Amino acid sequence: AQRVTQPEKLLSVFKGAPVELKCNYSYSGSPELFWYVQYSRQRLQLLLRHISRESIKGFTADLNKGETSFHLKKPFAQEEDSAMYYCALKVTSGSRLTFGEGTQLTVNP
Amino acid sequence: DVKVTQSSRYLVKRTGEKVFLECVQDMDHENMFWYRQDPGLGLRLIYFSYDVKMKEKGDIPEGYSVSREKKERFSLILESASTNQTSMYLCASSSPAATNEKLFFGSGTQLSVL
Repeated sequence: AQRVTQPEKLLSVFKGAPVELKCNYSYSGSPELFWYVQYSRQRLQLLLRHISRESIKGFTADLNKGETSFHLKKPFAQEEDSAMYYCALKVTSGSRLTFGEGTQLTVNP
Repeated sequence: DVKVTQSSRYLVKRTGEKVFLECVQDMDHENMFWYRQDPGLGLRLIYFSYDVKMKEKGDIPEGYSVSREKKERFSLILESASTNQTSMYLCASSSPAATNEKLFFGSGTQLSVL
């Protein structure tokens, strides 16, 4: 069965510092990986997906099949990046997503 | 923009009560999902549905059932609420025809079972 692991429940950085939120997955097939974000008092929403290979709000994530990882990175964190971040995996045979445990990111001034 | 509406923001129920959580989406999405969100455990899939009157068990279906009589509405039912079902419940919808098939979430229902 597929599984997503986010090893850090809490991550705290200072404004302007680089940030990396870790995500590891286990799935023997060809996965699709996503990052979802929930800002305070807002709905959970899609941040980015690996297939798009895009940068959203300065965040990027590269799928590393060898290490089965999909870490989220931003070179210079901003206070407005403070949020809960979830990594998610979709198996190509269906539409359901499997989410990780989440990482609460706090960017301090 | 897609709107996923959950009928209640907060609910307080007693152990043993039958609880209904309602979710409505307005974008004609085929797929609908119920997750529960718990600190340290993330989002866990309870049930999902790919079409009207269809339902599939997720990862933690025990103690729950669902109903999808109309395409826009997906109801989660707790047959006999227990304290370990105290949680934030999130409904989501998606369309398999969309290019990115992203999930659109409701604002959540915080359920407390006393």
